[in-house]
Amino acid sequence: AQSVSQHNHHVILSEAASLELGCNYSYGGTVNLFWYVQYPGQHLQLLLKYFSGDPLVKGIKGFEAEFIKSKFSFNLRKPSVQWSDTAEYFCAAFLMDTGKLIFGQGTTLQVKP
Amino acid sequence: DTAVSQTPKYLVTQMGNDKSIKCEQNLGHDTMYWYKQDSKKFLKIMFSYNNKELIINETVPNRFSPKSPDKAHLNLHINSLELGDSAVYFCASSQGLEEKLFFGSGTQLSVL
Repeated sequence: AQSVSQHNHHVILSEAASLELGCNYSYGGTVNLFWYVQYPGQHLQLLLKYFSGDPLVKGIKGFEAEFIKSKFSFNLRKPSVQWSDTAEYFCAAFLMDTGKLIFGQGTTLQVKP
Repeated sequence: DTAVSQTPKYLVTQMGNDKSIKCEQNLGHDTMYWYKQDSKKFLKIMFSYNNKELIINETVPNRFSPKSPDKAHLNLHINSLELGDSAVYFCASSQGLEEKLFFGSGTQLSVL
């Protein structure tokens, strides 16, 4: 079945630590990939996206993600997190053949000051 | 100025009641969606409309009926509410199916 898996459900880091959140999708066709973020009390918003081209994409607030086709992965990274990065992070894959956007179950990131 | 607005933000109701959630977007987008987020935070597509026409209808009970009076509005009506319907419902819109989504702030539905 088509799915998106996020391996880390709850991550706790100290400020300035490096972050990597895993995301894998199971789908053999063409995908567009997204990371969305939901800050406390706010609505979901786009962090970054990959459609084609350079597999390393940069988003807002210093985040980046790398699409590795052979691993069906789209991991999110940030070299140095801040307290304000505390939020829920959702990976999503748009499946071109079906026209559906499938979300992972989300990762709660808590950054301690 | 809110791009995608949905009301109400909170909805508490008894089992068996009928309720509606409204959604409006002022972005001029062609495509609108309803997503359900369960207690484990899974976001799952329920419906997708493009220019007022239903294009995605996941396996959702037919107690759930979306209505799109125009392409800026997509309302969700739920009949005979059940305990399992308790969740957060998000409306979203995009310029196209493959484009990024703009989300509303969610409606937390609690069925007692």
